[in-house]
Amino acid sequence: SAVISQKPSRDICQRGTSLTIQCQVDSQVTMMFWYRQQPGQSLTLIATANQGSEATYESGFVIDKFPISRPNLTFSTLTVSNLSPEDSSIYLCSVEGPRGSYEQYFGPGTRLTVT
Amino acid sequence: GDSVTQMEGPVTLSEEAFLTINCTYTATGYPSLFWYVQYPGEGLQLLLKATKADDKGSNKGFEATYRKETTSFHLEKGSVQVSDSAVYFCALSGAGKLIFGQGTTLQVKP
Repeated sequence: SAVISQKPSRDICQRGTSLTIQCQVDSQVTMMFWYRQQPGQSLTLIATANQGSEATYESGFVIDKFPISRPNLTFSTLTVSNLSPEDSSIYLCSVEGPRGSYEQYFGPGTRLTVT
Repeated sequence: GDSVTQMEGPVTLSEEAFLTINCTYTATGYPSLFWYVQYPGEGLQLLLKATKADDKGSNKGFEATYRKETTSFHLEKGSVQVSDSAVYFCALSGAGKLIFGQGTTLQVKP
């Protein structure tokens, strides 16, 4: 399975600022995913990021709030903009597993606290 | 739409007890089913999966059988250890995405 790293592992940010989270994979993958995990909750898919195309956002998530970049097949960033305390969550990136398996492999997550 | 429902936690067991975490799903088509585990402070790890009806996924002593007739994928382990304490997520593949249940926290006491 792929090895995925995320930076930063945690951060405390002021209201109104932005945080950019990096996701690095040790192999080339077509599809990367960004999830939000609110405290004590399950994972909610924010968007799917394919290299060379615009990210596809799920209902309730918009590009202005969660801009995503996917410059190559091993890297992606998620920015959480205009932060509010409600954005305090763990943000996880994942990548697709073997073609047709529907598996996903997850990074360790970024814990964001907004004050 | 597709959805996954898990039993509410936390589930608290003594070491060496038998574990069952219930998971049922609603889906159109024939999804693959997964159990993921999240240890404290870590990301999710794939624990096991099943891709078609009557398949049994197994890993690290955990098992789950894909039951199409009851739309279930219950997680079981015969003898839990303290190191199994974690949050367990049931998930299905739908429309190219993973759809997760709400997670069940397992606490195993020595």
